[in-house]
Amino acid sequence: DTGVSQDPRHKITKRGQNVTFRCDPISEHNRLYWYRQTLGQGPEFLTYFQNEAQLEKSRLLSDRFSAERPKGSFSTLEIQRTEQGDSAMYLCASSQVTGGYSPLHFGNGTRLTVT
Amino acid sequence: GDSVTQMEGPVTLSEEAFLTINCTYTATGYPSLFWYVQYPGEGLQLLLKATKADDKGSNKGFEATYRKETTSFHLEKGSVQVSDSAVYFCALTPDGGTSYGKLTFGQGTILTVHP
Repeated sequence: DTGVSQDPRHKITKRGQNVTFRCDPISEHNRLYWYRQTLGQGPEFLTYFQNEAQLEKSRLLSDRFSAERPKGSFSTLEIQRTEQGDSAMYLCASSQVTGGYSPLHFGNGTRLTVT
Repeated sequence: GDSVTQMEGPVTLSEEAFLTINCTYTATGYPSLFWYVQYPGEGLQLLLKATKADDKGSNKGFEATYRKETTSFHLEKGSVQVSDSAVYFCALTPDGGTSYGKLTFGQGTILTVHP
């Protein structure tokens, strides 16, 4: 179990640029989640996948945000035309849902700063 | 919608002191309740959980009891250690079980324990 891996750890970008983050879940996990955490707040749910299917999206996920999980393995989160309000820590988590309770395993996050 | 409210922090204690971090929630039905912890430089990890009223979750000397009548899930530890210094998040997931990964978090409480 190598844990959930996120790349990059930090990203600084200028307003209006596009950015893409990657998440590699624990290999046998079928669910993958994206959360966003701003300073001094708890994480907020953005979206999740069951295998390759995106099953739910929060209304926090504007049209500028898109997430994919091709082949049900790693996932990418893209933000187009970044705004200063997008500055946050983006967290990925995964779990293996088999019927009973399955805890989320979080990565260390990607910190985005939009200047 | 669902919400979680934690006591304001930061909390500063001496080693071996008693810890309480208050958490109350608003949700319909019977949510599952969680405490997550984030140690410095690490990702969020599950500390304990309770899935029905009057359940007590416990781990690493921490305890929390699911009180439906007061909609609370307060975190307690009888004797804290320096190594318990971290940010603690109370969270819930909606009734139904299959949405265990869609968490609503509180804002977090920073705990610092001095020797």
